[in-house]
Amino acid sequence: GAGVSQSPSNKVTEKGKDVELRCDPISGHTALYWYRQSLGQGLEFLIYFQGNSAPDKSGLPSDRFSAERTGGSVSTLTIQRTQQEDSAVYLCASSSTVAGGEETQYFGPGTRLLVL
Amino acid sequence: AQSVTQPDIHITVSEGASLELRCNYSYGATPYLFWYVQSPGQGLQLLLKYFSGDTLVQGIKGFEAEFKRSQSSFNLRKPSVHWSDAAEYFCAVEEEYGNKLVFGAGTILRVKS
Repeated sequence: GAGVSQSPSNKVTEKGKDVELRCDPISGHTALYWYRQSLGQGLEFLIYFQGNSAPDKSGLPSDRFSAERTGGSVSTLTIQRTQQEDSAVYLCASSSTVAGGEETQYFGPGTRLLVL
Repeated sequence: AQSVTQPDIHITVSEGASLELRCNYSYGATPYLFWYVQSPGQGLQLLLKYFSGDTLVQGIKGFEAEFKRSQSSFNLRKPSVHWSDAAEYFCAVEEEYGNKLVFGAGTILRVKS
């Protein structure tokens, strides 16, 4: 079956512009995660959606970052007024709800963002 | 807070040789542990996972890992490395009060022929 897909695969933008990154999770997966992978910081959690619950935004680095998940499926990560330090690979993952909490996250290929 | 340590940033092994990648974690209870692999320009692929039960878990591509509670370790092993195994490997633990993963810094594996 189809895995997690992300678009665009690469994005180059100018400092100060807004960008939107899209994630399509595996069909039927109720949980969706965004992570950021950068040279200096490694892999960092950004935000987590589970069903209709309020998202866990504890990893968002600033108020320039926001995310939404429409209809419990597709998610969009928005970065406003991009800065050069936002350059990174943005990874999306999804998982299904399993009794006992033994969930496995499956990752998409990522969006490589370069802010000039 | 949970943390994961991968002490080796780079490892080079000869093709056909055995491999062990180290992973240590800090965690209060029984952890959920994962190994992922990332090839250049790709996302993360799950190699194997440990939730409970048998402490020796088998994964894809001939990899296995052993959970040792006494050493807070979850080392990844492969008896014979292939050139296609060259990639970056990440160990991760699921956060105790939440579902997010905490990752180690990664180990870059180079395979020489």
